[in-house]
Amino acid sequence: KAGVTQTPRYLIKTRGQQVTLSCSPISGHRSVSWYQQTPGQGLQFLFEYFSETQRNKGNFPGRFSGRQFSNSRSEMNVSTLELGDSALYLCASSLWALLGPGELFFGEGSRLTVL
Amino acid sequence: AQRVTQPEKLLSVFKGAPVELKCNYSYSGSPELFWYVQYSRQRLQLLLRHISRESIKGFTADLNKGETSFHLKKPFAQEEDSAMYYCALSPLGDQGGSEKLVFGKGTKLTVNP
Repeated sequence: KAGVTQTPRYLIKTRGQQVTLSCSPISGHRSVSWYQQTPGQGLQFLFEYFSETQRNKGNFPGRFSGRQFSNSRSEMNVSTLELGDSALYLCASSLWALLGPGELFFGEGSRLTVL
Repeated sequence: AQRVTQPEKLLSVFKGAPVELKCNYSYSGSPELFWYVQYSRQRLQLLLRHISRESIKGFTADLNKGETSFHLKKPFAQEEDSAMYYCALSPLGDQGGSEKLVFGKGTKLTVNP
């Protein structure tokens, strides 16, 4: 089974630009969540999607948005980039369970550098 | 507020020595707790979850609700245990059905030969 695939793996942007990151979950997984990882704040939850619906959102400004498609693939977008958005963005997929979290399978991440 | 604290950023032990990675949490409801591990050049992956009550790679973790802790232990550390370890909490009470995890900042374990 192929793992979670994230593209692009590395990208460099300048302040004010926007960026779109893509995540393809493991086949059969319908739940996708996104995390931002920085040296200072660690892993912070961004949002999660199930069946094209955002089920939960972390404490991030509205510049951060996402969506999920009918094939469970997900994208996240960051508009008006700031220097502090430089981070590793991790996507995770799972077999969503009604009563609680299952095992999250993480991608390798997309490393965003904002200059 | 939901919070996970891993007090040690770095932990170094010798091969064969016992190891304990500390994790304390703050949550008023009934949490589910996990340990995730990231080996060098590998993806973040689940090591164990408290609800399973199993031992993985010799590691165990016991949920202590009185002390709000979920420390990870192994009696005899091996060099291949060297990795970054993250404790994580799922706020089940508030987010029923959610996959959201609150992570600690991680402990880097080094097992020396």
